[in-house]
Amino acid sequence: DVVLTQTPPTLSATIGQSVSISCRSSQSLLHSNGNTYLHWLLQRPGQSPQLLIYLVSRLESGVPNRFSGSGSGTDFTLKISGVEAEDLGVYYCVQGTHALTFGSGTKLEIK
Amino acid sequence: QVQLEESGPGLMQPSETLSLTCTVSGFSLTSNGVGWVRQPLGKGLVWMGTIWAGGSTNYNSAVQSRLSISRDTSKSQVFLKMNSLQPEDTGTYYCARVNNAFDYWGQGVMVTVSS
Repeated sequence: DVVLTQTPPTLSATIGQSVSISCRSSQSLLHSNGNTYLHWLLQRPGQSPQLLIYLVSRLESGVPNRFSGSGSGTDFTLKISGVEAEDLGVYYCVQGTHALTFGSGTKLEIK
Repeated sequence: QVQLEESGPGLMQPSETLSLTCTVSGFSLTSNGVGWVRQPLGKGLVWMGTIWAGGSTNYNSAVQSRLSISRDTSKSQVFLKMNSLQPEDTGTYYCARVNNAFDYWGQGVMVTVSS
């Protein structure tokens, strides 16, 4: 099974600070069809997860453009350019190239 | 608009069979797949399985022998059945629409397995 390793497990940021979360896969996530099925979710406290970024770097409709995704192969990054209070929660990367697996999550706290 | 709503019993006994229903609206089950995701209390997300738009299914190998996902397209419902429940199956169960990624999620249903 594909393992996704997220770092750091926790992140503390001040409002306006830019932060990055890393997601490394145990296998390449490039599918034979040319797509890379690596996505990012945010789960706010007490809420269902919501999709932020899909296919590595595509911003889901309605998601602020301070969120961006990048990467290829086995290494991926989610960047938040200017954290806002509403961004607190747990961020998960998820891959759908080889069955489906989630990363272990990164908890973002606001200082 | 797209909506998904999970329903099912909140409390189960060990060894029983869990039956959950995901009722969807705003899209067709023949156009999008639906997946099930479990989240133990205070822990991360675990994919259980997916039923695709064409009706085929894929399951997490860890639960494949106990899990079945099916659907009734006329009622816009997707069903999860998992047998031989154990306390470690306790958690919140979500259904979510597949559109490259899981783009819409239900609010989740909490299932507790306890004697």
